[in-house]
Amino acid sequence: GIQVEQSPPDLILQEGANSTLRCNFSDSVNNLQWFHQNPWGQLINLFYIPSGTKQNGRLSATTVATERYSLLYISSSQTTDSGVYFCAVEVSGNTGKLIFGQGTTLQVKP
Amino acid sequence: EADIYQTPRYLVIGTGKKITLECSQTMGHDKMYWYQQDPGMELHLIHYSYGVNSTEKGDLSSESTVSRIRTEHFPLTLESARPSHTSQYLCASSERVITDTQYFGPGTRLTVL
Repeated sequence: GIQVEQSPPDLILQEGANSTLRCNFSDSVNNLQWFHQNPWGQLINLFYIPSGTKQNGRLSATTVATERYSLLYISSSQTTDSGVYFCAVEVSGNTGKLIFGQGTTLQVKP
Repeated sequence: EADIYQTPRYLVIGTGKKITLECSQTMGHDKMYWYQQDPGMELHLIHYSYGVNSTEKGDLSSESTVSRIRTEHFPLTLESARPSHTSQYLCASSERVITDTQYFGPGTRLTVL
């Protein structure tokens, strides 16, 4: 099956710093989503981005489907950005069945 | 904000008990999902549904069962809980339209003693 690899596994930042999280996937996908899981376990959908670039405030994401990777950019990080960031992909069809990566754990220090 | 709810939020129960984890959404979404997540790990799909009376098993084998009698309700049942079932269970839903963005409930943390 498809492999989804995220890097780095852990990241510690000082408040105000910028960061880039990466998601590599081993097969063509028709659905890619980025999620943030806060320290209380709630997952929030950040982007639906099977291709192209999107921006939402301090966050932006780019997926290069032909090269099988996606990037999540966090600018001017805040302590509330802490948590785990997951990339998830759907391989084929319109099933909505997502395969999750292992996540990047981000800690933003004040 | 998505309107998807899970109860209970936390559950500690003894081995052998039958439990039902509730999930409901008020968005009218056709698709619903159950994921299992161990601490510090990725999510694994255990059940999904495309609509009323439609249920399928996910990629991770699970001893739980689900039902979808109403669009808004997707409960998960464990007939006989065991310590190996200790985990977090997350429910999600999505529209059957272009984006298929998934919205998650707050999760149920289950501990089986």
